Amino acid sequence: DTAVSQTPKYLVTQMGNDKSIKCEQNLGHDTMYWYKQDSKKFLKIMFSYNNKELIINETVPNRFSPKSPDKAHLNLHINSLELGDSAVYFCASSQDLPGGVGYGYTFGSGTRLTVV
Amino acid sequence: AQTVTQSQPEMSVQEAETVTLSCTYDTSESNYYLFWYKQPPSRQMILVIRQEAYKQQNATENRFSVNFQKAAKSFSLKISDSQLGDTAMYFCAFIIEGGNKLVFGAGTILRVKS
Repeated sequence: DTAVSQTPKYLVTQMGNDKSIKCEQNLGHDTMYWYKQDSKKFLKIMFSYNNKELIINETVPNRFSPKSPDKAHLNLHINSLELGDSAVYFCASSQDLPGGVGYGYTFGSGTRLTVV
Repeated sequence: AQTVTQSQPEMSVQEAETVTLSCTYDTSESNYYLFWYKQPPSRQMILVIRQEAYKQQNATENRFSVNFQKAAKSFSLKISDSQLGDTAMYFCAFIIEGGNKLVFGAGTILRVKS
């Protein structure tokens, strides 16, 4: 029973297309995140949602739009895909209790997006 | 701004030997948490070990231990009795108490050789 699950695991698409990545967590966590891992393996936060409310938006192009229908789900929609969007995208979640972040984030298995 | 620096892009170690990966961080906060994550070729991000800044005792998880030096803002990971399955990218990460952003270092590729 996967704690944080992302779909799809792989996504190959052409420039200009619109695509979505879905994420679900069954840990009861209140906060969810999207991270981007570039070709040099550097991990950078993109968005953070707490109980369906956006709390972090890290200078991400507005072609990227996160949506959180409920606190267990955080989806990422990308419009007009560009070559530079090729990367691995990770969903993660964390506890919201006092000291909860001290337990770290639980990550999904990542979605490798390739734009051709 | 909080930053994490991993100065070793790549390291290698012989099977059964010990290796230490370095990490330094920068913050003006006094309460925070530090982590080491492992990313094997499967891409999964796996939490290896965690340390609360207010605890002086170094964390240990089986073959993995840390050397936490708060004054020096240093948080190194020691892997004892290295195994082939330890081959992975290792990321040092940091978050302040009450924070909402886990910040990662650039990672160290560790190769365990037989």
